[in-house]
Amino acid sequence: EADIYQTPRYLVIGTGKKITLECSQTMGHDKMYWYQQDPGMELHLIHYSYGVNSTEKGDLSSESTVSRIRTEHFPLTLESARPSHTSQYLCASSRAGEETQYFGPGTRLLVL
Amino acid sequence: GESVGLHLPTLSVQEGDNSIINCAYSNSASDYFIWYKQESGKGPQFIIDIRSNMDKRQGQRVTVLLNKTVKHLSLQIAATQPGDSAVYFCAENLSSGSARQLTFGSGTQLTVLP
Repeated sequence: EADIYQTPRYLVIGTGKKITLECSQTMGHDKMYWYQQDPGMELHLIHYSYGVNSTEKGDLSSESTVSRIRTEHFPLTLESARPSHTSQYLCASSRAGEETQYFGPGTRLLVL
Repeated sequence: GESVGLHLPTLSVQEGDNSIINCAYSNSASDYFIWYKQESGKGPQFIIDIRSNMDKRQGQRVTVLLNKTVKHLSLQIAATQPGDSAVYFCAENLSSGSARQLTFGSGTQLTVLP
């Protein structure tokens, strides 16, 4: 089982609130990723990082932002949540030079 | 555009039977493929992977077959068990500029019948 953690697991929040989804891994992986997944649908990459101070946008446009100040930590922030942000957010990590990604349990977000 | 997709959205099998989940990909330059299992309420879990220089790879009760001629990938699960019920995703590794990212297809829901 992968040592990658996400908090909170579930979050219900009102429109306009600022939220931060936490992701941390203890495997020392350089690469980390955020995906958005609607129920039963494919995963869409929204952000990724190849190491500290490196962040890139993924294929799916997202109003969220990320930071990578420490290797083990890759938080995702929504400055002003909207109902369209309701989804599941999955964090993953991988070793440098390897393609296999290991996923956290996900955060299910509901914006009212 | 390039895409990874699955032939069937749902698959039901009897417990003890073998399951075959199919996946089509369209990028002939992809050189790495991976299968994930996602149970309800959990994140995807790595099952098995294969590189494009191989046609077949076996794991514990699972086998992945790669047919590069028709750009087809399949996951075979032997003696399917109730615990195998989940959504299965295939993903391919696309090289985008300097980044190598996984592109996921839509999942197949596998249901194991008693």
